[in-house]
Amino acid sequence: DTAVSQTPKYLVTQMGNDKSIKCEQNLGHDTMYWYKQDSKKFLKIMFSYNNKELIINETVPNRFSPKSPDKAHLNLHINSLELGDSAVYFCASSQGDGTNYGYTFGSGTRLTVV
Amino acid sequence: KQEVTQIPAALSVPEGENLVLNCSFTDSAIYNLQWFRQDPGKGLTSLLLIQSSQREQTSGRLNASLDKSSGRSTLYIAASQPGDSATYLCAPPGGAGSYQLTFGKGTKLSVIP
Repeated sequence: DTAVSQTPKYLVTQMGNDKSIKCEQNLGHDTMYWYKQDSKKFLKIMFSYNNKELIINETVPNRFSPKSPDKAHLNLHINSLELGDSAVYFCASSQGDGTNYGYTFGSGTRLTVV
Repeated sequence: KQEVTQIPAALSVPEGENLVLNCSFTDSAIYNLQWFRQDPGKGLTSLLLIQSSQREQTSGRLNASLDKSSGRSTLYIAASQPGDSATYLCAPPGGAGSYQLTFGKGTKLSVIP
């Protein structure tokens, strides 16, 4: 039973398209995150949501819009995809700010824009 | 802003060796630090979470230490095995209550049979 699950695992799309990535966690956590891992394998925070409220938006283009319908779900919608958006996107969750139990990551969504 | 440095960037060792991976961070106002491993094309697997009140945390052949005052953490792997080959990532939080982890670039470990 996967703790943090992302769909799809792979996504290949053309420039200019709009796409969504979904994330669900069954850990009962109240905080969820999106991280981006670029071609150099560097992981960087994009968004943090606590109890469905956006608390971190880390200088991400407006084309990226996260949505949290409830505490267990955090989706990422990307408009007008660009070549530079190609990366692996990881969803994660934690209880609160992760003080006591740390973070749990999903297996990632590899986005390729052609 | 938290910055994380991991040394070495890559390490190749023969099977059976003990090894140490180093991590340094700039903001010592942290409550814990998490070590992850990432296999090629895979997600992040949590290895150890060490609280700021602890100096060490152990899981099997892995031992992590944390020295907040000096901004350093080490991951010790005993009796390395080929299955340990992966990239190891150190991730302190961005600061107390920051709601984010800051990652280093990782140490890519290769254990040669």
